[in-house]
Amino acid sequence: GAVVSQHPSRVICKSGTSVKIECRSLDFQATTMFWYRQFPKQSLMLMATSNEGSKATYEQGVEKDKFLINHASLTLSTLTVTSAHPEDSSFYICSAPASGSSYNEQFFGPGTRLTVL
Amino acid sequence: RKEVEQDPGPFNVPEGATVAFNCTYSNSASQSFFWYRQDCRKEPKLLMSVYSSGNEDGRFTAQLNRASQYISLLIRDSKLSDSATYLCVVNIGVRDSGYALNFGKGTSLLVTP
Repeated sequence: GAVVSQHPSRVICKSGTSVKIECRSLDFQATTMFWYRQFPKQSLMLMATSNEGSKATYEQGVEKDKFLINHASLTLSTLTVTSAHPEDSSFYICSAPASGSSYNEQFFGPGTRLTVL
Repeated sequence: RKEVEQDPGPFNVPEGATVAFNCTYSNSASQSFFWYRQDCRKEPKLLMSVYSSGNEDGRFTAQLNRASQYISLLIRDSKLSDSATYLCVVNIGVRDSGYALNFGKGTSLLVTP
């Protein structure tokens, strides 16, 4: 099946630094990718939709200037957490919908665990 | 009211038991429904889609009641490897070329020897 990779899998950084997370579709093209965030014991929450060739669409309450998204190609989307703070510590997961799927199956990356000290 | 609600559990059952999970959703316009499985500190993986007529995949049976906005998952003959968190997932709506997903918090299942 289709594979989505994420890098890095884990990152620990100091407060105030920026962290970039990459999401790649390995054997298919994805004009759309989704970025989710999951806090401990909480559900995954959609943060934004990354669109190749156009601006990302952010969900209500997600700061677009803090979470920068760039969909550089049909196989790569990046999420940059700018000026990270401890409250940004979370599990960030990207996904890409399967093209041609009758029920729009999503393929998820393995996630990136961010810890901000 | 949360958009997708599940009993968080945990459900502790012995091997071989049958266990059922329930889920309700609030958006009556939702069109796609899924059960995902998430192991500790891992990404969610699709277990099965849920169709109006109900569907079965081996030991797993999913049901959808659109009138009640209710989804269920039945696991028969539980295995130790079934221990995980089961996520009820409903589509949020189309975002560009795909459906974004709305996740429940998940129901934790622990199957014991």
